[in-house]
Amino acid sequence: QKEVEQDPGPLSVPEGAIVSLNCTYSNSAFQYFMWYRQYSRKGPELLMYTYSSGNKEDGRFTAQVDKSSKYISLFIRDSQPSDSATYLCAMSGDRGSTLGRLYFGRGTQLTVWP
Amino acid sequence: DTEVTQTPKHLVMGMTNKKSLKCEQHMGHRAMYWYKQKAKKPPELMFVYSYEKLSINESVPSRFSPECPNSSLLNLHLHALQPEDSALYLCASSQDPLLLNEKLFFGSGTQLSVL
Repeated sequence: QKEVEQDPGPLSVPEGAIVSLNCTYSNSAFQYFMWYRQYSRKGPELLMYTYSSGNKEDGRFTAQVDKSSKYISLFIRDSQPSDSATYLCAMSGDRGSTLGRLYFGRGTQLTVWP
Repeated sequence: DTEVTQTPKHLVMGMTNKKSLKCEQHMGHRAMYWYKQKAKKPPELMFVYSYEKLSINESVPSRFSPECPNSSLLNLHLHALQPEDSALYLCASSQDPLLLNEKLFFGSGTQLSVL
């Protein structure tokens, strides 16, 4: 079993839709949870960063963490064509892991059509 | 300024060539990383430099050789690569690798093709 599981999609939605992206994980030591957005042939861009369980909102984006279920989500409201990208979840905080290492999901490819 | 700059953006090389990838950050970060990313896959960690010292080597083949001239610069020297090494090579930096709550900032990457 991989440490982080993420459905690769692809996911295709119309403009204005609410998008839900999810990851599950197996390592209960993870404490820090991130979502990166990656456009084609570009580097990942840090979108959301949360610590432990709870919600965090930033504009149209909301990140949720449920540590009891080992489940994290990213919601995008009023989705726009410019949101079309691959979204990678990542996590860290395992003291036994490699220094500075992030554990990534496979990424979900999202297309928002006009 | 949260920018990590990588050059070149694209590189095509033969299997006998020697080339170098370059990365620069001016955020005062003390850790820098090289990642390799194949299409439709997540980034894979290759090397970590912490306070200008190589902290890990993920059993990466010796045809990849990292160098950290100072805390702002990171190079990846390439020699005798194989076609399967074709990928997007990403540089990243973080403030302090000893903190568990590290945020990694990535560059735009170098798209490498080995012929």
